[in-house]
Amino acid sequence: DAKTTQPNSMESNEEEPVHLPCNHSTISGTDYIHWYRQLPSQGPEYVIHGLTSNVNNRMASLAIAEDRKSSTLILHRATLRDAAVYYCILNTGNQFYFGTGTSLTVIP
Amino acid sequence: DSGVTQTPKHLITATGQRVTLRCSPRSGDLSVYWYQQSLDQGLQFLIQYYNGEERAKGNILERFSAQQFPDLHSELNLSSLELGDSALYFCASSVKVWAPNTQYFGPGTRLTVL
Repeated sequence: DAKTTQPNSMESNEEEPVHLPCNHSTISGTDYIHWYRQLPSQGPEYVIHGLTSNVNNRMASLAIAEDRKSSTLILHRATLRDAAVYYCILNTGNQFYFGTGTSLTVIP
Repeated sequence: DSGVTQTPKHLITATGQRVTLRCSPRSGDLSVYWYQQSLDQGLQFLIQYYNGEERAKGNILERFSAQQFPDLHSELNLSSLELGDSALYFCASSVKVWAPNTQYFGPGTRLTVL
C-alpha cells in the first residue's frame, strides 16, 4: 500500500501559485516529508523537506498540517519549467517511500 | 546537475543476458541507493549501500545484485534478463544514512530488453 496519496494530475496557469496536496495518514512521529520533482527524461530532483514546521526555500514552500497527516507543496509563481511530476515521499528511517506523483501542467 | 553520474545512459540487450550498471555518487556521499522506474510500477527502491556495506533491501529480485566499492562507486548487476526488466534505473546518493537523508539522483540508465 502506498504511504502517500496525491492527485494524478493538476493544471496551473503560468505565473500563478500552485498548491500540490499530499495525504500521508499513516505517518509516524519520526517520518520526514520530502518533495521531489521529475522532469521528462531526468532523475528526480530534490525540492524541499520538513518534519513538523512549515519550510521555505528558494524553490518552494512546504505547509504541513498540524496533525501531520497531510502536506501541501506551494510553488509561488509557476513557470513553464515547473511542468513535471511532483512526488510526495515519506522518509522513514533510511528509506524513501515514493507515491505515484502528481503530473503538473503549466498553461502559458 | 546533481553530481551523481551513471553509465551507460542507454543499454539494449536480449533476454537471458547479464548487464552491469555503474554509479558514481556525489563527492563526500557515502550512501548509494538504486531504484527501478517502470511505467506500471513507478519508482521502486531496490537496495542501499553505505560505505561499502549493504544497509537496506527493497523490492530487489534475486537475479539482481549490487555492490559498493572502496572508492564508493556502485554497480548494479542484472542477470537472466527478462522483458519485464526493461525500465529506467536510477542511482542516488546521500551524505546521511538516516532520515532526513536527502537523496540526489543521477540521470538514470535506460535498459531495454528485447
